[in-house]
Amino acid sequence: KAGVTQTPRYLIKTRGQQVTLSCSPISGHRSVSWYQQTPGQGLQFLFEYFSETQRNKGNFPGRFSGRQFSNSRSEMNVSTLELGDSALYLCASSWAQGRTEAFFGQGTRLTVV
Amino acid sequence: GENVEQHPSTLSVQEGDSAVIKCTYSDSASNYFPWYKQELGKRPQLIIDIRSNVGEKKDQRIAVTLNKTAKHFSLHITETQPEDSAVYFCAASRGPSGGSYIPTFGRGTSLIVHP
Repeated sequence: KAGVTQTPRYLIKTRGQQVTLSCSPISGHRSVSWYQQTPGQGLQFLFEYFSETQRNKGNFPGRFSGRQFSNSRSEMNVSTLELGDSALYLCASSWAQGRTEAFFGQGTRLTVV
Repeated sequence: GENVEQHPSTLSVQEGDSAVIKCTYSDSASNYFPWYKQELGKRPQLIIDIRSNVGEKKDQRIAVTLNKTAKHFSLHITETQPEDSAVYFCAASRGPSGGSYIPTFGRGTSLIVHP
């Protein structure tokens, strides 16, 4: 069974630009969550999508947004990039039928210069 | 919301020793507590989890204990090996909640096992 796939693996962007990250969950998983990981703040929850609907949102500004498609693949968008957005962005998928284990992708390393 | 505190932030042990990482949580409704291991440059991977109806769970050299009254849970690694060196994250969540699972993570513990 293929794992959670995130693309791209690495990205360098300039301040003010926008970026879109992609996450393909494990087949059959319907929930996709996004996290920002930085050395200073650890793993912080961004938002979670289930059946194309955002069900939960963390404490991040509106520049961070996402969506989920009918095949459960999810995208995360960050607009007007700031230097502080440099981080490893991880997505995790889980099978939401009473199963709570979450499986992480390899992450996208975003560097804002 | 939920708040998870994890200690210590760094743990250095000799190969063969035991290692214990402790976490406390604030939301008494949390009922699912997974532990993740993240090796350098790799994704976090689930190594063990425990639900609130169980006090202890063991899987070979790793075990997790849960004290619901005190709202803390711990990861125990026995007979540590150099390949156990990694960052370990605890998490707490109400799961499943409406079919979804939103964990709050601790800040992580960097475990270093010296040969």
